[in-house]
Amino acid sequence: SAVISQKPSRDICQRGTSLTIQCQVDSQVTMMFWYRQQPGQSLTLIATANQGSEATYESGFVIDKFPISRPNLTFSTLTVSNMSPEDSSIYLCSVDSSGGYEQYFGPGTRLTVT
Amino acid sequence: AQKVTQAQTEISVVEKEDVTLDCVYETRDTTYYLFWYKQPPSGELVFLIRRNSFDEQNEISGRYSWNFQKSTSSFNFTITASQVVDSAVYFCALSDTYSPLITQGGSEKLVFGKGTKLTVNP
Repeated sequence: SAVISQKPSRDICQRGTSLTIQCQVDSQVTMMFWYRQQPGQSLTLIATANQGSEATYESGFVIDKFPISRPNLTFSTLTVSNMSPEDSSIYLCSVDSSGGYEQYFGPGTRLTVT
Repeated sequence: AQKVTQAQTEISVVEKEDVTLDCVYETRDTTYYLFWYKQPPSGELVFLIRRNSFDEQNEISGRYSWNFQKSTSSFNFTITASQVVDSAVYFCALSDTYSPLITQGGSEKLVFGKGTKLTVNP
């Protein structure tokens, strides 16, 4: 299985600021996904990041608010811009295993916006 | 559109009881994949199983078993002889096979149910 790390693990941020979350994988993967889990809720896909192309955003999520970078096959970043308390969530990245038969998640970044 | 329904919001059992978590899905795709994940209090998502739509065989892994029935669009998860360490939120998920990379072993984006919080009491 892939080993995924995320930084930071948690953060408390002021309204109006931005936070960049890093996702590092121990092996090369084709696709990386960013999910949001609001308090007590399920996971919702924000966007899909494919190396070498623009991220594909899901309905309700826009690039200006959640810019994503995917500079290589083992790394991606998600920025939460101009934060408001409604952005307080756990943000998780996930990757496919080799062959795509399993999908693994990072430990998540717990974001609190005050 | 894909949809996953986990009607049980919370379940509480006593240790050693068997418990079944229900999952009902909706999709127009003929090829799709179903998943179960465990999210313990630590917050990390733990992959449990992936099943494709062509394989209706039930699966057993230790105390865990899964019952996939296409006729009722259900993919239920049973824990036998539950333990306190099984306490977690369990998510059922369905793949959206939009990606052209699927046939090359690429990954799928997942649509999650709302989760079932299982509490196993000693």
